[in-house]
Amino acid sequence: DADVTQTPRNRITKTGKRIMLECSQTKGHDRMYWYRQDPGLGLRLIYYSFDVKDINKGEISDGYSVSRQAQAKFSLSLESAIPNQTALYFCATSDPGQRGTDTQYFGPGTRLTVL
Amino acid sequence: QKEVEQDPGPLSVPEGAIVSLNCTYSNSAFQYFMWYRQYSRKGPELLMYTYSSGNKEDGRFTAQVDKSSKYISLFIRDSQPSDSATYLCAMRFGSNYQLIWGAGTKLIIKP
Repeated sequence: DADVTQTPRNRITKTGKRIMLECSQTKGHDRMYWYRQDPGLGLRLIYYSFDVKDINKGEISDGYSVSRQAQAKFSLSLESAIPNQTALYFCATSDPGQRGTDTQYFGPGTRLTVL
Repeated sequence: QKEVEQDPGPLSVPEGAIVSLNCTYSNSAFQYFMWYRQYSRKGPELLMYTYSSGNKEDGRFTAQVDKSSKYISLFIRDSQPSDSATYLCAMRFGSNYQLIWGAGTKLIIKP
């Protein structure tokens, strides 16, 4: 089984709808992240969480919210979806480990289309 | 100006060629430098990691950091069609700071 899973894998929705993307991990990592990826822009950080009680805004948090339900679960919500939120969304986890490596492990992504 | 600049490509080379992928950055305080590889319809995965300056080699891959020029490189020797992917550079100030990502370079290795 995959260490980082995301549901759904694909979603088409309409402007104004509320959408939740879910992420689960079995790696036992405390740190979790939500990114979006757009062509030519690379990965941009939306929110991150260093532990269950810690939530932080990233570079592009406007229009998004998150919930860290447990160490293993981190959900991303779009309260009122708009077309420019059409993108590929990735969840990632990390563990600081030794020497500050903090390698990030990514899920398979959710392709979201807002019409 | 973006903090990390990376040519999006695509870069197309014949099988067996040496590939050079590069990123430039503007902030001299970056200390940790990574290369992630992303196959189509997959999430990125860490390929190489370097702390501060110097070179690091792993099989056919060599990562190089030149802090004086604010320039990092990834070299792939004896390139294979299976190396076809998007390569993203990323860097950070320290372990509790966020990664700053390049846009990624799409690499195509032609058989």
